[in-house]
Amino acid sequence: KNEVEQSPQNLTAQEGEFITINCSYSVGISALHWLQQHPGGGIVSLFMLSSGKKKHGRLIATINIQEKHSSLHITASHPRDSAVYICAALQGTSGSRLTFGEGTQLTVNP
Amino acid sequence: GAGVSQSPRYKVAKRGQDVALRCDPISGHVSLFWYQQALGQGPEFLTYFQNEAQLDKSGLPSDRFFAERPEGSVSTLKIQRTQQEDSAVYLCASSLSGQPTNYGYTFGSGTRLTVV
Repeated sequence: KNEVEQSPQNLTAQEGEFITINCSYSVGISALHWLQQHPGGGIVSLFMLSSGKKKHGRLIATINIQEKHSSLHITASHPRDSAVYICAALQGTSGSRLTFGEGTQLTVNP
Repeated sequence: GAGVSQSPRYKVAKRGQDVALRCDPISGHVSLFWYQQALGQGPEFLTYFQNEAQLDKSGLPSDRFFAERPEGSVSTLKIQRTQQEDSAVYLCASSLSGQPTNYGYTFGSGTRLTVV
């Protein structure tokens, strides 16, 4: 069992739909990252959170520390949101190492 | 620079060849990380530097892999006698602090290594 698991692995949506990607982790963490990776490899950090909820534009990330679960939501999805979304756990109280989920491939069709 | 720069972007190596991958982190960033991402997988940790000190190299898959950051800025990941299973995207990330919890990470665009 992976220490960080994401679901779904693949997600296809129509433009405008509300999207949720889930992340569960089994390790103790100091923070959790949501990352976006476009074809070609570049990774962009979307959020880093250790509690509660963060919002940036159409993106919302939530985390429940007790349940060891985080979600990334995209409202009013757009084809340019198509990418791989990865959650990564920053482990330990003085954590330095990220443990990554396998990613969710999101395709938003016009 | 403005971001984390990795070079080359693409590298094709013949099996058995040695390769060197470069990471130029954001100026002043203390922490530097190398990750290996196989096709269709999430990145896997390789090694971590705080300034010039390599604090964790537990993720390096074999003694063919070697990383250095001699002056605490640019880092080089060297792979000796490359094998086909080394084919992957190698990602570098840096963080301002020795405590990335506070400042998060900036990732480079990666080097895609293909061993033929």
